[in-house]
Amino acid sequence: NAGVTQTPKFQVLKTGQSMTLQCAQDMNHEYMSWYRQDPGMGLRLIHYSVGAGITDQGEVPNGYNVSRSTTEDFPLRLLSAAPSQTSVYFCASRSGTGGPTDTQYFGPGTRLTVL
Amino acid sequence: GDSVTQMEGPVTLSEEAFLTINCTYTATGYPSLFWYVQYPGEGLQLLLKATKADDKGSNKGFEATYRKETTSFHLEKGSVQVSDSAVYFCALSDRTNAGKSTFGDGTTLTVKP
Repeated sequence: NAGVTQTPKFQVLKTGQSMTLQCAQDMNHEYMSWYRQDPGMGLRLIHYSVGAGITDQGEVPNGYNVSRSTTEDFPLRLLSAAPSQTSVYFCASRSGTGGPTDTQYFGPGTRLTVL
Repeated sequence: GDSVTQMEGPVTLSEEAFLTINCTYTATGYPSLFWYVQYPGEGLQLLLKATKADDKGSNKGFEATYRKETTSFHLEKGSVQVSDSAVYFCALSDRTNAGKSTFGDGTTLTVKP
């Protein structure tokens, strides 16, 4: 049971380039989310999904796209990278049952630098 | 919308000192409350949680009580260790949409021997 995995761990892009951050979970969780973490700003929700085929915007969705074709995978696409997107990106998943065992699990993060 | 306000850091303590990190929240519904810990270079790990008023979450010597009347969820530990040095995040989860969580800005704790 690998939990939540993210690739790559580090990435450097030039302004205007596009790329996809990969996220996968093997816990059969319905709920998945993408966050960005900037110094002194905590985590901000970019996009989230409550099940395969269903996605919605979070607090800071501009410049990012997501899709959820399977329960396991939730990739985050940067359409045209900008220096303001330099950040650490975390993917998370949870079962969504709302009960005592409904815990959010985080991946190890992707550190992205846009030059 | 929902929000979480955490005590500003950084916090520096000596080993075996008492720790309190304050957390207050604003929510339209009846949220679940969480504390997460992040060690350098790693993702967030759930430290403890509480899902209803007056619940006490506890783990690894840390405790926090869900206080609905004061909308607070303060983190405490009676005797900190050097290994507790990390960033601590308070968070809430909207029960009507469990995919969405709101996080505080984080409090950096450094424990010196």
